[in-house]
Amino acid sequence: ILNVEQSPQSLHVQEGDSTNFTCSFPSSNFYALHWYRWETAKSPEALFVMTLNGDEKKKGRISATLNTKEGYSYLYIKGSQPEDSATYLCAPNQAGTALIFGKGTTLSVSS
Amino acid sequence: KAGVTQTPRYLIKTRGQQVTLSCSPISGHRSVSWYQQTPGQGLQFLFEYFSETQRNKGNFPGRFSGRQFSNSRSEMNVSTLELGDSALYLCASSIAGGPMDEQFFGPGTRLTVL
Repeated sequence: ILNVEQSPQSLHVQEGDSTNFTCSFPSSNFYALHWYRWETAKSPEALFVMTLNGDEKKKGRISATLNTKEGYSYLYIKGSQPEDSATYLCAPNQAGTALIFGKGTTLSVSS
Repeated sequence: KAGVTQTPRYLIKTRGQQVTLSCSPISGHRSVSWYQQTPGQGLQFLFEYFSETQRNKGNFPGRFSGRQFSNSRSEMNVSTLELGDSALYLCASSIAGGPMDEQFFGPGTRLTVL
């Protein structure tokens, strides 16, 4: 079973703060990394799928980078807003396996 | 396009009983994965089905089983329920379950075991 670590476990920031989280995973047999956002009372929704070392994806104020050689990905949120409050999950994918999710980072943004 | 649907949404059972949960994927999706979510444990992978075959399996006891039908609908069964089986069970569908395929999650079934 793939060992996926996400840090910090939880985070509380003020509106307008920028923040970032880390996802660490085994670099061997890497194929892709997924980021999902899970808001309370909703279902997880995909943010990004990343495959190449050095890849960088952006969606609005949220961006992510990927380092497949050392096995980590960063998720950045610029100018956090209350609607960004959610649990952010990463899931690396090795060839031939299913998505295995980390425990997530729970972000709370106060206005 | 209709999303992933799961039935029932809520379920209360007692220890020792068995339960069957259902998941209907997005039309055209052939891969269905099941996850268990409990406080502090995050989303734990149960199994994945593709074209009626179990393709991947997580680290859960044999009391947890599943199947997939020819229309890609999937069911999950838990026999001899234990208190620790109380959880949110999510299913997710994707086109083919490939490494880059986005998974679409259903609303989940909240199972309470008394």
